[in-house]
Amino acid sequence: GQQLNQSPQSMFIQEGEDVSMNCTSSSIFNTWLWYKQDPGEGPVLLIALYKAGELTSNGRLTAQFGITRKDSFLNISASIPSDVGIYFCAGLADTPLVFGKGTRLSVIA
Amino acid sequence: DSGVTQTPKHLITATGQRVTLRCSPRSGDLSVYWYQQSLDQGLQFLIQYYNGEERAKGNILERFSAQQFPDLHSELNLSSLELGDSALYFCASSVDPDLEPLHFGNGTRLTVT
Repeated sequence: GQQLNQSPQSMFIQEGEDVSMNCTSSSIFNTWLWYKQDPGEGPVLLIALYKAGELTSNGRLTAQFGITRKDSFLNISASIPSDVGIYFCAGLADTPLVFGKGTRLSVIA
Repeated sequence: DSGVTQTPKHLITATGQRVTLRCSPRSGDLSVYWYQQSLDQGLQFLIQYYNGEERAKGNILERFSAQQFPDLHSELNLSSLELGDSALYFCASSVDPDLEPLHFGNGTRLTVT
């Protein structure tokens, strides 16, 4: 089946630093989504990408849909303590949505 | 607030028992999805319903079943529970099952003792 390789698995950064994480797959996807999950809550959609090459921003977050349609990255600029959480990528080709295993972000003040 | 409501928030039960988890989708959404999230794992797709009909099935055990009712709420039934079934169970909903991003509820935490 389709699988997403998300990296890194975890990262510790200083407040104010920029963060980059990515997802790759051997399969082609038509849509890439990035979610954030806080402890005890459900994932919340951050950014949705619908076209190869698309670059989309949401505040300090920027995500890109890879030109090959097999990858996507998420950047967070000037991290703050509330950025702590687990970030999931997800790809949609045929239903259902396929999720990566997540990147756990810790921000040190 | 995603608009997706899941009840109960927490559930503690013993092995061998049966439980029902409930989900009310966001208003206007016709499609409901169920996911299982075990400790330090990503989201594993279980099953999807669209307008009352089963649309897609993932790695759902035979001990598990689900349905979507005419009012579009959905229930996930877990029977003959085992310790390994302890997990967070999330419901998500969307308008278009093929294109629309999913909106998630806050989950039901199931603990099997």
